[in-house]
Amino acid sequence: NAGVMQNPRHLVRRRGQEARLRCSPMKGHSHVYWYRQLPEEGLKFMVYLQKENIIDESGMPKERFSAEFPKEGPSILRIQQVVRGDSAAYFCASSPGSLRDGYTFGSGTRLTVV
Amino acid sequence: DQQVKQNSPSLSVQEGRISILNCDYTNSMFDYFLWYKKYPAEGPTFLISISSIKDKNEDGRFTVFLNKSAKHLSLHIVPSQPGDSAVYFCAARRNAGGTSYGKLTFGQGTILTVHP
Repeated sequence: NAGVMQNPRHLVRRRGQEARLRCSPMKGHSHVYWYRQLPEEGLKFMVYLQKENIIDESGMPKERFSAEFPKEGPSILRIQQVVRGDSAAYFCASSPGSLRDGYTFGSGTRLTVV
Repeated sequence: DQQVKQNSPSLSVQEGRISILNCDYTNSMFDYFLWYKKYPAEGPTFLISISSIKDKNEDGRFTVFLNKSAKHLSLHIVPSQPGDSAVYFCAARRNAGGTSYGKLTFGQGTILTVHP
């Protein structure tokens, strides 16, 4: 039973390029969450999605960031025109719905903007 | 506005002794609290949780205590083992129902080092 799969593990982008981060939730999980961890900080909530729906995007920057979780395929976090400040570890988590046992996190994608 | 705070950036403990990690929160609307453990280059792993209607939850070597009046929770690990060395995050969920159901607010983390 594979866990939450994120790819790529490491992503290097030049300023102004686009970054696409993918997340495949655990089998049977229909809820996906994206978090960002900046250096020396805790995880910050970005967005909560269910299949084909954005439930809560209160943590998403207003510009350049978007997320989707289509009916088929992985969830995608897309960052357009990346800047150095976007360099961080991006974690995806999934759950079946209840938070009793917490989320299951993926191993993260480390984005470096050069 | 840091609603969940872990004021100790690091903690060093001898193997076999008790590790106590602390967490404070400011939002009285939080109703569910969780602890996660994180190794370098890996995602956080769920450890233990507690509902606001309880004051203690125990799972093996891990016990979480909640003091609602003080808005304080703590994670006790006993006995501590070298493999427990990791970053520990506390997290909280706000009881707003609806769209806020899935959102967790995390503390900054505490680096625990257990010496053999």
